[in-house]
Amino acid sequence: DAGVTQSPTHLIKTRGQQVTLRCSPISGHKSVSWYQQVLGQGPQFIFQYYEKEERGRGNFPDRFSARQFPNYSSELNVNALLLGDSALYLCASGMVGGTPDTQYFGPGTRLTVL
Amino acid sequence: KQEVTQIPAALSVPEGENLVLNCSFTDSAIYNLQWFRQDPGKGLTSLLLIQSSQREQTSGRLNASLDKSSGRSTLYIAASQPGDSATYLCAVINAGNNRKLIWGLGTSLGVNP
Repeated sequence: DAGVTQSPTHLIKTRGQQVTLRCSPISGHKSVSWYQQVLGQGPQFIFQYYEKEERGRGNFPDRFSARQFPNYSSELNVNALLLGDSALYLCASGMVGGTPDTQYFGPGTRLTVL
Repeated sequence: KQEVTQIPAALSVPEGENLVLNCSFTDSAIYNLQWFRQDPGKGLTSLLLIQSSQREQTSGRLNASLDKSSGRSTLYIAASQPGDSATYLCAVINAGNNRKLIWGLGTSLGVNP
């Protein structure tokens, strides 16, 4: 059974550009969460979606947006990129309300903003 | 506001040694606590999850304990191997509807052959 997949694996953009990152959860999982991990730091929560609805939002500017599709895959969009947006973007899937509520992570997308 | 702290920040041990990594959290109203492993430049691998009603979980050479009342968890690694070298992160999920993970900064472990 495939795990959480993310695309692309690496991405280089310049300041002011826009980027879209994609995530496919484990089959049967209905929850997708996005995290940003800056080098040397722990991950920071960006968004959580469950059944196509936003369940939570972290302390990120409105330049960050996301959505979840009927097949439970998800996209994270970042507009007007800044140098500080350079990070590893992690997607996690889970079954909200399931037991145990383990979060399974994808390999991440490494975004570099020049 | 929930805060998660991990001590030590870095640890270097000889192969074969048993070791303990520590995680503390400020708000005991958690749903569960999860330990992860992260290799350099890679994503996260879930190691163990402890529900708030549980005291410990074991997987192979790994044992994680949880003391909710004192806001502490430990990850015990037995008979460490060079392949255990990685960063170990702990994260908690607060009780409530939002299942977001709140993370520590991690412990960077090096096991020397």
